[in-house]
Amino acid sequence: KQEVTQIPAALSVPEGENLVLNCSFTDSAIYNLQWFRQDPGKGLTSLLLIQSSQREQTSGRLNASLDKSSGRSTLYIAASQPGDSATYLCAVPNSGYALNFGKGTSLLVTP
Amino acid sequence: DAGVIQSPRHEVTEMGQEVTLRCKPISGHNSLFWYRQTMMRGLELLIYFNNNVPIDDSGMPEDRFSAKMPNASFSTLKIQPSEPRDSAVYFCASSTGRTGDLRGYTFGSGTRLTVV
Repeated sequence: KQEVTQIPAALSVPEGENLVLNCSFTDSAIYNLQWFRQDPGKGLTSLLLIQSSQREQTSGRLNASLDKSSGRSTLYIAASQPGDSATYLCAVPNSGYALNFGKGTSLLVTP
Repeated sequence: DAGVIQSPRHEVTEMGQEVTLRCKPISGHNSLFWYRQTMMRGLELLIYFNNNVPIDDSGMPEDRFSAKMPNASFSTLKIQPSEPRDSAVYFCASSTGRTGDLRGYTFGSGTRLTVV
């Protein structure tokens, strides 16, 4: 069974800092990996999807990398802003159609 | 497109009562998923359907939980009888259904269930 782990569980940084969130998975035979954002009391919003053939994806200030061989992905957030405060979840599909999620990293960016 | 629509947004019920959660997937998506989110366990898959057929229900906690998808545009998750430990946020998601393909994977806003 695919296990997904996210480190750290919580992170607090001052506005303007660059930061890295980590995700590891136990089964490297994945099709792709996705990063989501969840605001308090809300659903999940897709941020970045990395296909297994790719090494990274970028969207604005966000950059996600994927290293299948080592079972790791990172989400890099440049020049963090208070509006980036949320929980960030990574997910990989299992052998079927469903997603296995990490427990997330709760990010707080202080002004 | 209105996205994945869940109802109700919030539900408070007494222990022992029946609870029914509803989901309308995105039109054209042929896979539908029910997840449960708690602080302790994070997001867990309960069941998923492909082309209205239940494919994997191994995440359903016990017989008190049941899910149906009578047609491509509607699904229900029922808990009978409900217990306080069922309190959680229940999410519905839909996707295009290709194996391992996360494109188009869209979540609803969730139903926050509180059983007192």
